[in-house]
Amino acid sequence: EVQLVESGGGLVQPGRSLRLSCAASGFTFDDYAMHWVRQAPGKGLEWVSGISWNSGSIGYADSVKGRFTISRDNAKNSLYLQMNSLRAEDTALYYCAKGPSAGLVAPDYFDYWGQGTLVTVSS
Amino acid sequence: QSVLTQPPSVSGAPGQRVTISCTGSSSNIGAGYDVHWYQQLPGTAPKLLIYGNSNRPSGVPDRFSGSKSGTSASLAITGLQAEDEADYYCQSYDSSLRVFGGGTKLTVL
Repeated sequence: EVQLVESGGGLVQPGRSLRLSCAASGFTFDDYAMHWVRQAPGKGLEWVSGISWNSGSIGYADSVKGRFTISRDNAKNSLYLQMNSLRAEDTALYYCAKGPSAGLVAPDYFDYWGQGTLVTVSS
Repeated sequence: QSVLTQPPSVSGAPGQRVTISCTGSSSNIGAGYDVHWYQQLPGTAPKLLIYGNSNRPSGVPDRFSGSKSGTSASLAITGLQAEDEADYYCQSYDSSLRVFGGGTKLTVL
């Protein structure tokens, strides 16, 4: 059974940093691309970032480019999101999601999701 | 403003058929990129419902179906059940970005 468990969320002041983690199990982690998708309170879904199986291809939404860094450790079956210079508008539930293939190419969708970790940016 | 446009809400009585539209443009759906659909039940994570325009993952009832034409796509739900009450999102690909619709809240009357 595929399991994705996010952690690392919390309350953080604007301008500070936070690192999210996603522990994966139930599938061969290094065979698949992985993504972060967020959902602001009461709002819709927004793709944040994705990374290919070998970290050779990485993509970011314009809203986080230059501030967020995605990475993965295949030996630890883990996905990460380093979030710097956080803003109030980054407040959201952050989901870890699995891609359907190894690469970061279209067609691209999210076939399994974690339960999310909440990030609140507020002074 | 979402790249893909969905109606904010739809409703239907049990047993009825409802459709949810997803309108894009020539840079996403119209460019030939596939459309995927997700169901988000209240208080839970999204779940893949339809991938590649019309394919159902294992375990998704055949009451759910998807189609695509031109710059738009649709999700159809037949034999509506109370448990189908949820938010539904379409998703595609545009300029190296994965883009979502704004979501549609389905109410079962």
